[in-house]
Amino acid sequence: DAKTTQPPSMDCAEGRAANLPCNHSTISGNEYVYWYRQIHSQGPQYIIHGLKNNETNEMASLIITEDRKSSTLILPHATLRDTAVYYCIVIKAAGNKLTFGGGTRVLVKP
Amino acid sequence: NAGVTQTPKFRILKIGQSMTLQCTQDMNHNYMYWYRQDPGMGLKLIYYSVGAGITDKGEVPNGYNVSRSTTEDFPLRLELAAPSQTSVYFCASSADSPNTGELFFGEGSRLTVL
Repeated sequence: DAKTTQPPSMDCAEGRAANLPCNHSTISGNEYVYWYRQIHSQGPQYIIHGLKNNETNEMASLIITEDRKSSTLILPHATLRDTAVYYCIVIKAAGNKLTFGGGTRVLVKP
Repeated sequence: NAGVTQTPKFRILKIGQSMTLQCTQDMNHNYMYWYRQDPGMGLKLIYYSVGAGITDKGEVPNGYNVSRSTTEDFPLRLELAAPSQTSVYFCASSADSPNTGELFFGEGSRLTVL
């Protein structure tokens, strides 16, 4: 599976959009981009995933560049409860394993 | 909705002791996983299973064993506990391969080896 690079930490103002970048320059054509988050001491929680097209659900939006070498997770209106570590993961189609990197520690401030 | 249930939630072991972390899911998921998370670090995959009777090693399998005799249960066995195994252990499950949908995680089991 392709390696991902994320900034170690970032702050965001409550009520503003949070844009979390992820670099996956070695991604191949059949690899998906997944985002999970882990709120303090809890098990990780699925957020969203995509292959080529941009995706949106009730939690977030995922923007994947045309060359697929990077993506951005957007939390449209960050709340204090969005403070968490966010993991960007790339996984092959029919891959059996989900491998977590270091993630981005996001702190939402009032 | 129980989802993924892990027991115990907390445990203290002495060096050299053995124990089993239990994991049960009630979603009829084929795939199950064990991860460990050391303080301030990301999750590392220990073992995973793609169905009853089938298990495979992850990134950090040494010192652990697993079995998958039923779809619902995926216990993790620690033999001869060592301080390096002090960690939080997470069990997870998914209906199919992890690229086709989300993993559901348990609440974690916090293990301290003294």
